[in-house]
Order: sequence, then structure tokens, then C-alpha cells
Amino acid sequence: SQQGEEDPQALSIQEGENATMNCSYKTSINNLQWYRQNSGRGLVHLILIRSNEREKHSGRLRVTLDTSKKSSSLLITASRAADTASYFCATDANAGGGADGLTFGKGTHLIIQP
Amino acid sequence: DTAVSQTPKYLVTQMGNDKSIKCEQNLGHDTMYWYKQDSKKFLKIMFSYNNKELIINETVPNRFSPKSPDKAHLNLHINSLELGDSAVYFCASSLSGGPHTQYFGPGTRLTVL
Repeated sequence: SQQGEEDPQALSIQEGENATMNCSYKTSINNLQWYRQNSGRGLVHLILIRSNEREKHSGRLRVTLDTSKKSSSLLITASRAADTASYFCATDANAGGGADGLTFGKGTHLIIQP
Repeated sequence: DTAVSQTPKYLVTQMGNDKSIKCEQNLGHDTMYWYKQDSKKFLKIMFSYNNKELIINETVPNRFSPKSPDKAHLNLHINSLELGDSAVYFCASSLSGGPHTQYFGPGTRLTVL
């Protein structure tokens, strides 16, 4: 069954505002990753957070992980039109490093209005 | 220099045909994957292949078979195509032995008529 569930399914905000997306999962994980997918393109890795980490930053991105609640959030600050895309969380339960592949959520479609 | 490449980008074919999608990575990774993304954008792992170990998602029909001539290539062969096979197929690669990022190809949009 599907591991991750993103919330909301779609989000439309004005350029310059912050965008927050949430992800919940069901089983124990080794790490959680966020990916971006532009329309008609492949997935691009954004950030990886390990199960023993609570928060991680990368540029305008901030990811939190709460393993007790089995949830993660992705915050994009000062959004830009180029941030328009679908965002997916993906969990990796394999301590050996992903040999079983990632389990993806359904994604949040983010639209940044200019 | 494309890290993970797939061919073809688009594939339109009739039901019952057999087709292959090729994937190549030049990142020196030792693990490769195939994912299927359906019309609702839901991504699901189909196969992973690591040092000659094949891990198959149990929900994948045996009409689908991955073939790896070497560590840089993992091709996907599909027999007796069905309408429900229409989707976008993504190849990905990573290093093994730790929580490593997966790098995705651009995808192959398969349409079965």
C-alpha cells in the first residue's frame, strides 16, 4: 500500500509567499527525501533527511521530520514562479541504502502566481 | 552530459505488442531502478537491480522484465502490452550502501492503443 500522503494535494500562492507541504507515512523509515517534478519532466532530488534528524535546511528549503508522528514538512520560503511544480516525499526503509527503491506519496501540486 | 538517459521519450504502440525501453547512467552508480507513474501522478517502484541482485515489486506482472547488460544499463522489456500499461516509466540510479539520493531519467511516456 502507499506509504506517503502529501497534504495539500494542490496549493496556489502568490510569488514571494512561503509554501508549506506536509507528508505522512505509515511504517518505520531510514530516511525521507523530497523531490520536485516539473510538468512533463523527471524528478529532481531536493533534500534528504535521516530518521535521526529533526530539521534540515538547503537554500530556501526547510524540511522537518517527526518520526513519532510519522510526518514531514517541506517549507519553501520566498517562493518564485520557477517553483511551480509537483513535490513528492519519498521514504526509504532500507538501512542499506535504497535497494528496495523509494516509496512515494501522491504529491502536492504547487502553483506560484506571479 | 545527461546523467540518466532513457530512450525513447515517447512510445505509442498497439495492444499485444512487445516493446523495450532503454536506460543508461554515467554516474558510476551500482544500483538502478524502474518506476511507473500513472495518470494520477502516483509513482511506484517496479524493480531495483544491484550487483546482479534483482528485487521485484510483487505487484508487477511477469510481462515486465528488466535486463541489465552491465552496471550502467537497465532496460525494461514489456511483453503483450495492455491498455493499463499506459503510463510514464522512469529509470533511476543510485549508489548502494547508505542513504543515497536517486537520480532520475526524463521518463518514457508509453501509450498503448
